[in-house]
This record gives sequence, C-alpha cells and structure tokens, in this order.
Amino acid sequence: EIVLTQSPGTLSLSPGDRATLSCRASENVNSKYLAWYQQKPGQAPRLLIYGASSRATGIPDRFSGSGSGTDFTLTISRLEPEDFAVYYCQQWGNSQWTFGQGTKVEI
Amino acid sequence: EVQLVESGGGLVQPGGSLRLSCGTSGFTFKDYWMSWVRQAPGQGLEWVANIKGDGGEKYYVDSVKGRFTVSRDNAKNSLSLQMNSLRVEDTAVYYCARDGSALYYWGQGIPVTVSS
Repeated sequence: EIVLTQSPGTLSLSPGDRATLSCRASENVNSKYLAWYQQKPGQAPRLLIYGASSRATGIPDRFSGSGSGTDFTLTISRLEPEDFAVYYCQQWGNSQWTFGQGTKVEI
Repeated sequence: EVQLVESGGGLVQPGGSLRLSCGTSGFTFKDYWMSWVRQAPGQGLEWVANIKGDGGEKYYVDSVKGRFTVSRDNAKNSLSLQMNSLRVEDTAVYYCARDGSALYYWGQGIPVTVSS
C-alpha cells in the first residue's frame, strides 16, 4: 500500500493569504492518478485537481497543483472565506486508491 | 447533470449484513469505473472498493476483503455494495463516486451504524 502523508495537519491563515499544502508518498506515484479534494462539514468531498495539476470543471484558478514522484503540492493563491475546509490528496497504485489523512485550513 | 444517490444505510448489529445501492443518472454508466468510499465519524476518507464498467474487475481495501462485495447493474445504472459480517469499525458514511483518473463525482453519502 502506498501511504500518503499530508502536512501540516492544520494550517491557520487569514483570507487573502497563500496556502501551501504538502502530500508526500511512501513510494513513487503515477502523477496521472494523483488528485486533491476539498471537504466541508456535512458535505461530500469535491474534486479540485486531477492528474496532479489539472483543475476540475468549475474550480477557480486560485487553486493549483504541482509535483511528481513522491512530492506533491496544492496551492491556494489567495484564500477566500469559502476555502476554509479540509483538503485530501489521493493516489491510485497497487490496485487501490489511498488518501492522505487531510489538512485542515482554518481561520 | 451527473447525479449519484445512495440508499440502503441504517443501523445493524455486529455480524449483520446490509446492502447499499447507488442510483446514477446524467452519464453513460457502463463506460465508467465506480467506487465506494467511506468516512468514519470525525475521521478521514477511506476508499473501500471499485468496479470496472463491465464488472470484469473489482478491487477492495484489505480490511473488507471477503466481507464486502461490489457489483453493478448496467441496465439499471445502479451500483451496489453488499456488506456482510459487519463490525463496529465499519460504522461510517458511505459514498459512491464515479471513478476514473480521480473520483470526479460523488453522492451525498449514506450513514451506516454498526452497533448492538
């Protein structure tokens, strides 16, 4: 199983700040199958980024993804009030999806 | 518009069984892999299982192998998860999702509680 470790666990920021979220894999990940999700309380997760760097439909361009191999990053260039949520990275490898444990972005 | 709607959740005793369903619309169901993902109370996301469009390939997380079975009915655009020998630790909200290079669309989730 490929383990994804997200850091930090919690990010305390203000609207307008830049947020940088890290996702590190225990072994090389196929970037085609690296995704990021946003989840707000009581809601289903929402796909933000797929293929490590492609924005999903309707996702604002303040969200960007980068990285390859074992190190991936989600960047939110200027936080809006609606961006405060939990973010998960995910990968497909060894015939299973695995998720990171999540990063909470809070005010 | 893509829609996924889960049903069949509820309260069940340890060792019991439950069958979840996911009705879909807005896309050609048989062309897509489909996944089940769960989230225990206050915890993160855990992928459970997925199934290829024609039903010919299925994969499971180790913790449910031999207990859960994923299936699909392409004529009814429906996905199912048969859960047997349920344990307290299977308590979670269960989501169905359209699979591909990511989980593009998600249902609203259905709670499953395993408790005596």
